[in-house]
This record gives sequence, structure tokens and C-alpha cells, in this order.
Amino acid sequence: NAGVTQTPKFRILKIGQSMTLQCAQDMNHNYMYWYRQDPGMGLKLIYYSVGAGITDKGEVPNGYNVSRSTTEDFPLRLELAAPSQTSVYFCASSFGTNTGELFFGEGSRLTVL
Amino acid sequence: DAKTTQPTSMDCAEGRAANLPCNHSTISGNEYVYWYRQIHSQGPQYIIHGLKNNETNEMASLIITEDRKSSTLILPHATLRDTAVYYCIVRAPTSNTGKLIFGQGTTLQVKP
Repeated sequence: NAGVTQTPKFRILKIGQSMTLQCAQDMNHNYMYWYRQDPGMGLKLIYYSVGAGITDKGEVPNGYNVSRSTTEDFPLRLELAAPSQTSVYFCASSFGTNTGELFFGEGSRLTVL
Repeated sequence: DAKTTQPTSMDCAEGRAANLPCNHSTISGNEYVYWYRQIHSQGPQYIIHGLKNNETNEMASLIITEDRKSSTLILPHATLRDTAVYYCIVRAPTSNTGKLIFGQGTTLQVKP
């Protein structure tokens, strides 16, 4: 049981490049989330999904896209990378029950130069 | 979801109890209080949650005041490995998204 797995762990992009951060969970969770965390700051919700085929915007969705074709996977797409997107990205999942317990991945550190 | 207010930072001596306060004066009757922590560079980790009764698990205790406007997370015997940012979050379980909104949290430094 690997939990929430994120790839890659580190990536450097040039301005204007595109990339996809991968997130997979093996806990059969319906709910999945993407957060970003800038240095010294708290986590900000980018997008979330309550099930396959259903996604919605969080607090800071601009510059990102997501899809949820399966229960297990929730990739985050950056289309035109900007320096402001330099951050650590965390994927999380949950049953979505009243416990509110989110399980987080180890994070993906992205630098845009 | 109600907002929370936490001190920016706190220190605690190793082996002593760490008491982390959280104010949530606008909390609604159906909103739960959740605590997470984030050890440097890692993803946040769930600690505990409660509605109005005090709660205890293997990691910590959660004390919620009778009027529910504030709460305290207690780490009974803090160790150096408890040094982390602690987040207090209030959320209504009736929310069908399950999402949590994180604030700035409290940086707890456990000192030898």
C-alpha cells in the first residue's frame, strides 16, 4: 500500500514550457486534491475532485488544469510555466467522510526559470 | 468555513507538554476542528479532530472550550521530532467536497 505517490519529485522548467505533475493513490479514495506551497507560506488549494470525471477549482486555479479519468490518478497540468509557479506541489486524497483526514504525498518541487 | 487564528511561533522544552492554541470565534454548530502538522519539506500529516468533546489519540489531545470558540492541541511529551508547523482548520462535515483550507499555522520549535 503505497498511499499517495507523486512524480516527479523535482523539476526545473523554462518559462513558457509545459509539464504534468502526476499523482496516484492506491487507497480507493474518491476525493483528491492539489495544493501548492510557496516558501514560508501555508498551503493553497489549486483544484480538487470528488470522483472520476468531476473536478472543481480551488483558491488558486489560474495557470493550471486537471483531469480525473480514473479513481486512482489526478494529474496537474501547467500549460505555460511562469516564475510565479515556482513552488512545492502536494497531492492529497481522502475518503471524503466526516473524519476530514487527508493523506498527502511527499510533494513535487518545481522551479521555473 | 470559519476562520482560525493561531500564534505564529512557539517554543517548547523537550519532554514537556506543548500546548498549541487556536481561536475560531465564528465557528458554527456543525463545524469540526481539525489539526494537521507539517514537518519540514514533507506533506502535512493528520493529527486529530473534534466537534465539542475533548479527544485523545496516540499522538495528541484536543481540548475544545465549552463555547467552542477556541481549542488547544496538546502534545503531552514533546520530542525534537515534533518540531513542525501545526495547522488548526475548521470545516463543516456537510461540505461534500472534503477539502481543507490551510492557514499560516504555528511553527513549534522543540528545544533540547
